[in-house]
Amino acid sequence: KAGVTQTPRYLIKTRGQQVTLSCSPISGHRSVSWYQQTPGQGLQFLFEYFSETQRNKGNFPGRFSGRQFSNSRSEMNVSTLELGDSALYLCASSLVGGLNTEAFFGQGTRLTVV
Amino acid sequence: AQSVTQLDSQVPVFEEAPVELRCNYSSSVSVYLFWYVQYPNQGLQLLLKYLSGSTLVKGINGFEAEFNKSQTSFHLRKPSVHISDTAEYFCAVSEPQGAQKLVFGQGTRLTINP
Repeated sequence: KAGVTQTPRYLIKTRGQQVTLSCSPISGHRSVSWYQQTPGQGLQFLFEYFSETQRNKGNFPGRFSGRQFSNSRSEMNVSTLELGDSALYLCASSLVGGLNTEAFFGQGTRLTVV
Repeated sequence: AQSVTQLDSQVPVFEEAPVELRCNYSSSVSVYLFWYVQYPNQGLQLLLKYLSGSTLVKGINGFEAEFNKSQTSFHLRKPSVHISDTAEYFCAVSEPQGAQKLVFGQGTRLTINP
C-alpha cells in the first residue's frame, strides 16, 4: 500500500512569488491535513480538507490556502512568499472522520524562500 | 484549546541506557495522545497512541508510554536505547473526534552516544 506522497520534495522560491505544493493521500483516505514545521515555531496545523471542503483551519494568514480534489489529492498554495515561509510542509492523511485515530504523514516538501 | 509541553528540548544518553522523554498536556476536554518520531529529512512516523483503556501503551521499536490523567502527562520510555533511536520525538494531542488536527509539542531531540 503506497504511503502519503508529497511533491516536490524540495523547492526554492523568491520573495513575492507564489508556490503550490501537492499531496496524494493513502488510497481510501479522504481527510488531508497540512502542517508547517519551522525551527522556531515547531509543528503548526494549517488546515484540513475532507470531501473537497475545508473543515478545520489553523491561525495562518490568508496567503495560505488549499484545496482538495474529488480523488482526495490536495494542494496548498502560498502567495506573496515571505522569507519566514521557509519551512518543511507536511501533509497527513487519515480515514474518514469520526473515530479515526491515526494520521499518516508524507516526507514533506522543504520550501526555501530567498 | 489544547497545548502540549515537552519538558526537555534535548536528551543525550548512552547506548543501551534507559531513556524517558517527558510530555505534559493541557486540555479542557478529553484527548487522544500520540508520540511521533522524525528522522532527519523525513516525515513523522507514529510510535504509539493512547485512546482509552489501559494507561500503559506499547508501541513500535520497543517504546512504551504511560498516560497519567491526574498529572496530565504522557511520558515516553524505552528500557535500552540503540544508536538508531537518534531522532526527534514529538508528543501530540487531538480531540476525540479524530486525528485530523494535531497539536504538537516542541519536540525532544534524542541523541544516543556510543
